[in-house]
Amino acid sequence: AQTVTQSQPEMSVQEAETVTLSCTYDTSESDYYLFWYKQPPSRQMILVIRQEAYKQQNATENRFSVNFQKAAKSFSLKISDSQLGDAAMYFCAYGGYNQFYFGTGTSLTVIP
Amino acid sequence: NAGVMQNPRHLVRRRGQEARLRCSPMKGHSHVYWYRQLPEEGLKFMVYLQKENIIDESGMPKERFSAEFPKEGPSILRIQQVVRGDSAAYFCASSPLGGVAEAFFGQGTRLTVV
Repeated sequence: AQTVTQSQPEMSVQEAETVTLSCTYDTSESDYYLFWYKQPPSRQMILVIRQEAYKQQNATENRFSVNFQKAAKSFSLKISDSQLGDAAMYFCAYGGYNQFYFGTGTSLTVIP
Repeated sequence: NAGVMQNPRHLVRRRGQEARLRCSPMKGHSHVYWYRQLPEEGLKFMVYLQKENIIDESGMPKERFSAEFPKEGPSILRIQQVVRGDSAAYFCASSPLGGVAEAFFGQGTRLTVV
């Protein structure tokens, strides 16, 4: 079965600095997607970034980028120039065909 | 194009009552997924439906829970005889085709059982 592990329950970062959130996963599939979702206090699940496993190039979205290491089954999220609005829970997710598998989340605090 | 709409946003039920949660997918989306988020946890898969069909219900509790996605109207997640342990946030996501790559989430329904 697919599993997703986020080993950092809480992280903090100074405003304008860079922070990296870790995620590892386990699967026997070769074709899949990986996601990072942001969940602010409003509970809305906001897609931050998506990576297709067959693409070797790491995905980037403005200040957000990933380090995808397929062989190591690692998918970390880097947030550059952190802003106060980045404070939220961040969930890593593995996307199989029929469903997502979510990690337990990392709570990110941004310090002014 | 409106997003995935869930209602109500908040629902309070007494133990033993029924809870009905609604999910209207994005226009053009015929696939719906329901997830449950218990406090301090990630989202857990419950069921995947296509119009008029349940494709995968491997995450649904065997009793008291059911889901449907009729030809017309929203998808409904129904919880009968609610218990305190059902208190959670329930999310649905929709996608235009099978697969979660293009799925979008609704804002969730927070169910509180008192």
